[in-house]
Amino acid sequence: QSALTQPASVSGSPGQSITISCTGTRSDVGGYNYVSWYQHHPGKAPKLMIYEVSNRPSGVSNRFSGSKSGNTASLTISGLQAEDEADYYCTSYSSSTHVVFGGGTKVTVL
Amino acid sequence: QLQLQESGPGLVKPSETLSLTCTVSGVSITSSSYYWGWIRQPPGKGLEWIGNIYYTGSTFYYPSLRSRVTISLDTSKNQFSLKLSSVTAADTAVYYCARDRNSWYWGAFDIWGQGTMVSVSS
Repeated sequence: QSALTQPASVSGSPGQSITISCTGTRSDVGGYNYVSWYQHHPGKAPKLMIYEVSNRPSGVSNRFSGSKSGNTASLTISGLQAEDEADYYCTSYSSSTHVVFGGGTKVTVL
Repeated sequence: QLQLQESGPGLVKPSETLSLTCTVSGVSITSSSYYWGWIRQPPGKGLEWIGNIYYTGSTFYYPSLRSRVTISLDTSKNQFSLKLSSVTAADTAVYYCARDRNSWYWGAFDIWGQGTMVSVSS
């Protein structure tokens, strides 16, 4: 699949803030406010953290926030905690493929 | 409580058809509020969307898989299913079923099954 572009890895110390980027095109990220973010711990089901760029589902910590500028969406995790160590994926509605995922970012808590 | 559970063979031979079922509990798949989808993750790789289905039976597939994929509903059992034909080793993956929380766009999957590993090997 032609994935949205995410950094392979991001790391931070407990308490710090980190930001994961997700770059697409005008046909997906840039053209629609339909970007979602998932947290995925290996061996478990992915968890929806953000939808429609910046909305949090009920029960998701407000330490997670989303934004978008042009063709790039971002997920910020503030007050980094050990349990935040996981893989994170962005996805977007796409006019060409309906849904497109990012390649994933491994977050490491130092 | 809303739950999704995948079931099906864990091993499929090359060139054969992979068949999986997702059993939904806690909500009717005939609800007009949601789409229902399949997503997979090959070993060591990222998540890949396969396709979605609506309660009307309308389907939307990832273009590169469209020729091999069929997603269908069984409303009497509150299940939806995935069939992927002519499989190769590249189709080896953990397969997830999920609920897409919207009916006007796709990609916001809020409820997921635990996933089932399917290996393609002779």
